[in-house]
Amino acid sequence: DSGVTQTPKHLITATGQRVTLRCSPRSGDLSVYWYQQSLDQGLQFLIQYYNGEERAKGNILERFSAQQFPDLHSELNLSSLELGDSALYFCASSAGQGYQPQHFGDGTRLSIL
Amino acid sequence: AQTVTQSQPEMSVQEAETVTLSCTYDTSESDYYLFWYKQPPSRQMILVIRQEAYKQQNATENRFSVNFQKAAKSFSLKISDSQLGDAAMYFCAYRSVNSGAGSYQLTFGKGTKLSVIP
Repeated sequence: DSGVTQTPKHLITATGQRVTLRCSPRSGDLSVYWYQQSLDQGLQFLIQYYNGEERAKGNILERFSAQQFPDLHSELNLSSLELGDSALYFCASSAGQGYQPQHFGDGTRLSIL
Repeated sequence: AQTVTQSQPEMSVQEAETVTLSCTYDTSESDYYLFWYKQPPSRQMILVIRQEAYKQQNATENRFSVNFQKAAKSFSLKISDSQLGDAAMYFCAYRSVNSGAGSYQLTFGKGTKLSVIP
């Protein structure tokens, strides 16, 4: 058990809709990373937060946004969903700024119909 | 930007045999970290092994070892005495040592699906 909790595990929705994915990092970890895993693109880094502040942005679309709350959980918001957004979305956490993602959640499988 | 390439989308190995998964990367940096992750059907990413580029000695973790060739920018994973539980997707990943704004995100390859034949 990595200690990283992601909810929901599965999400099915339609094009044009908006969804929120939630991540609770491992206890004590301050940094949260979001990744998107799709068959054609592989694992793509989206965004990172550290102790509530955005640290880095990767290949995150403007339709996507994220935040990290004072209790350190994070949410990834995906809006105006398109078929191509169907993917596995991973959250990972690490203890501090100087670490790569250390603990991964089980991911949220998002299916767009 | 760094890139990581895994040229074998799928591989198979007989139980108890040895298999080697390939990974190459492109970078202009002299110091960095390389990783192999395992993703079983349960989906969770599990760190298998890690290598610091400044270390010449190849990393080893039980049945898992790497062949790190810095000049060739190659980082292969060898799994000895393969077990059924080794069946999974394996991802090679790169991390810079020095990163702006304190972010150390990983750059992943597209993965190799390993099947273990009983």
